[in-house]
Amino acid sequence: EAEVAQSPRYKITEKSQAVAFWCDPISGHATLYWYRQILGQGPELLVQFQDESVVDDSQLPKDRFSAERLKGVDSTLKIQPAELGDSAMYLCASSARLTVPPNGYTFGSGTRLTVV
Amino acid sequence: GESVGLHLPTLSVQEGDNSIINCAYSNSASDYFIWYKQESGKGPQFIIDIRSNMDKRQGQRVTVLLNKTVKHLSLQIAATQPGDSAVYFCAETTQGGSEKLVFGKGTKLTVNP
Repeated sequence: EAEVAQSPRYKITEKSQAVAFWCDPISGHATLYWYRQILGQGPELLVQFQDESVVDDSQLPKDRFSAERLKGVDSTLKIQPAELGDSAMYLCASSARLTVPPNGYTFGSGTRLTVV
Repeated sequence: GESVGLHLPTLSVQEGDNSIINCAYSNSASDYFIWYKQESGKGPQFIIDIRSNMDKRQGQRVTVLLNKTVKHLSLQIAATQPGDSAVYFCAETTQGGSEKLVFGKGTKLTVNP
């Protein structure tokens, strides 16, 4: 079964440092999402890509967060500088189309970030 | 803004019992709903979905009920098993609208053997 790949699985970083997460969506999926999930809460959308273009980044804290998907395939989410409140699970999801498909998005296993 | 929420943060049941997980949504324009299961250290996995033109949908051991009048969703799990222990989220979207999945806060289900 096709999967969304994310790395690393776990990351511990000191506050004020830079950190980056990588996502490789299911082959052929044009739409890619980054979600942030704070412990005990549901995922919240940070950014949505359609191919290499950003469709929605209205919830992305742009002063410290950036996301790119240069070739329209894999994607990187960066935080610089990291703050204690950024500790969360960062989930990547992909979809074959821009609209929510039947069965929803396919999620990766996430990157668990701890900022110390 | 409008959001999706859950009534109970935790639910503990005995193996073999039926489980019911509830979800309230406030966006009356939402017309497609999904229940996800998230096991520890993993991403959310699709369980079952329902469109607003239905009030009930059944899967294998799971049933989703939708009450649009009171904006309420429930997930029923029959004969709950230890492998069902996880956090369950409902998510909503408006097809033809923003097309984003909005998640509730989740209910942690613990199945006791």
